[in-house]
Order: sequence, then C-alpha cells, then structure tokens
Amino acid sequence: GEDVEQSLFLSVREGDSSVINCTYTDSSSTYLYWYKQEPGAGLQLLTYIFSNMDMKQDQRLTVLLNKKDKHLSLRIADTQTGDSAIYFCAESIKNSGNTPLVFGKGTRLSVIA
Amino acid sequence: NAGVMQNPRHLVRRRGQEARLRCSPMKGHSHVYWYRQLPEEGLKFMVYLQKENIIDESGMPKERFSAEFPKEGPSILRIQQVVRGDSAAYFCASSWPSGANVLTFGAGSRLTVL
Repeated sequence: GEDVEQSLFLSVREGDSSVINCTYTDSSSTYLYWYKQEPGAGLQLLTYIFSNMDMKQDQRLTVLLNKKDKHLSLRIADTQTGDSAIYFCAESIKNSGNTPLVFGKGTRLSVIA
Repeated sequence: NAGVMQNPRHLVRRRGQEARLRCSPMKGHSHVYWYRQLPEEGLKFMVYLQKENIIDESGMPKERFSAEFPKEGPSILRIQQVVRGDSAAYFCASSWPSGANVLTFGAGSRLTVL
C-alpha cells in the first residue's frame, strides 16, 4: 500500500538550516516530490527526484534519498522567514502513465527571526 | 500562461444544496486531478481525468460526488446534497504526459457548508 509519513512541525531560527524528513512505504516509487504551500494558496512544486538518484541540489535546496530505508529529506540552507510554510512530500508509484501523487500530511515550518 | 485556474475561490452552501467547483488546466495540459484537503490534513486524491474520460476515481466518495472533464470547457467537481463534513479546500492540478508527472496546482476552492 501507499503511505507517506512526515513529522507535523519544525521550528528553526533564521539563517539556520532546516531539514524536513519523510518516509514512504511503497518500494516501487519512481519519483518523489517536495511541494510548498503558503497560507491560503495552492501547492507549489519545489523539486523532485527520480528514484535512481541519491541526491539533488538546487540553490538552497538539497534533496537526499535513501531508497533502502525509504527515506527522503529536504534541506533548506540559510532558512529565511519567507520559507515559513507547509512542506509536503509526495510519491508517484507507477512508471507509466500520469498516475496520481500520494501526499503526506505536511510539515509546518516556522522560521523564527 | 495563467496557470491552473479554479473558481470560485470561496463557496458557502447550506446543508442539502449543491456545490460546483470548476477547474481550467494549464494550457497544453490534458490531465486533471482533484484533491481534497481537510483542516490540518494532507491532500487526499479524489479523481483523475483526461478529456471526456475518468481514468481513476478510486478516491471519490461513492455517493453525492461526481466529476467531469468535457471536450470543451473546464473540469467540474460536483457535490450534491452537501453536508458539513464536505467543508474543505478542494484543489485541482493538471499535468501533461511525461515521465516525471509534475503536477501544477491551482489556488484551491474553499467550500464551507453551514
């Protein structure tokens, strides 16, 4: 079955690094995603990683994938107050066709100035 | 490119009324997905459509809910005889055929049932 788990809250000080963790259960996941949701808004794609990769870096964002442990993390370097939002981990479990993504409940990141 | 457009952004209905939520996908996108977000919950998949076809409706409640994506016009999520438990944010996303299946989301429609 498909299940994506995330811790619900994270609080960091401005300028520190944030690490948001996610675990998933379906070993056939092909792509894993991080989305950001600001208050009252829809979800915005931050980045995604293919399951045959271990790491992906994009400016302040670093995604690490441990496929053996089914663990995904998102690191935000030099966290800013504008990074305060809910971060959702999601997986796509099939390799063909545009199948729906399965989302976790989201991690609410609070950045303290 | 206006992105994924949803309307209305806010909708208030009394119990027993009907709610219709509309979604226009991004230009060039042929796949539409509807998700529901309850307060303090993640997104739950409801239905996946292509033009004139329902591909996967495994997340749709068996009664009162229906969705369509006609050849012309937006996708519609219809909720008949709404109940208080239907109060939620309903998000539409669209994508085009690709291996990575990147979903682009709309801003959501927030339904409140009195």
